[in-house]
Amino acid sequence: DAGVTQSPTHLIKTRGQQVTLRCSPKSGHDTVSWYQQALGQGPQFIFQYYEEEERQRGNFPDRFSGHQFPNYSSELNVNALLLGDSALYLCASSSDRENSPLHFGNGTRLTVT
Amino acid sequence: QKEVEQDPGPLSVPEGAIVSLNCTYSNSAFQYFMWYRQYSRKGPELLMYTYSSGNKEDGRFTAQVDKSSKYISLFIRDSQPSDSATYLCAMRAAGGTSYGKLTFGQGTILTVHP
Repeated sequence: DAGVTQSPTHLIKTRGQQVTLRCSPKSGHDTVSWYQQALGQGPQFIFQYYEEEERQRGNFPDRFSGHQFPNYSSELNVNALLLGDSALYLCASSSDRENSPLHFGNGTRLTVT
Repeated sequence: QKEVEQDPGPLSVPEGAIVSLNCTYSNSAFQYFMWYRQYSRKGPELLMYTYSSGNKEDGRFTAQVDKSSKYISLFIRDSQPSDSATYLCAMRAAGGTSYGKLTFGQGTILTVHP
């Protein structure tokens, strides 16, 4: 049973560029959330997708956007990259019910130069 | 002030020691409490998942939640070198829109030496 898978594992981009990160949820899960983890910090919630719509959003600018596809997979897009966007981007999935814990992928390490 | 506070450590203990990891929080709406373990270059792995106040035990791990004090703990008994990792506390409110929105502590770096 595959867990949460993310691609790519590493990415290097230049300031001002745009990036797309991808996530496939754990089998049986229909809700996907994205987190940003800076070095030495805990993950910060970016947003959550359910039924192909953004259901909840954290304190991140509009440069961060996402999408969820009918098969529940998801993309995170970041425009106009800043040096401060360098971080580990984590995808997590769960079932859409009260007592369903989040399961995380291994993340995409983004470096902005 | 952060909603969730966690001592970043680092914490270094000998093999076999009992480890205590703690978090405090300020948001009374938090109802679900989790502990994740994160190895270097990996994503967080769920260790313990509890609802409201009380204790939960799973093998060498015990999670405690005291909502009246807004304080949660994770105890690791008979610690092993393989327990060396960063431990993250996380919590969320109840309700559908909160399912995927966890608030994390900063993480505590634990090293268990043989």
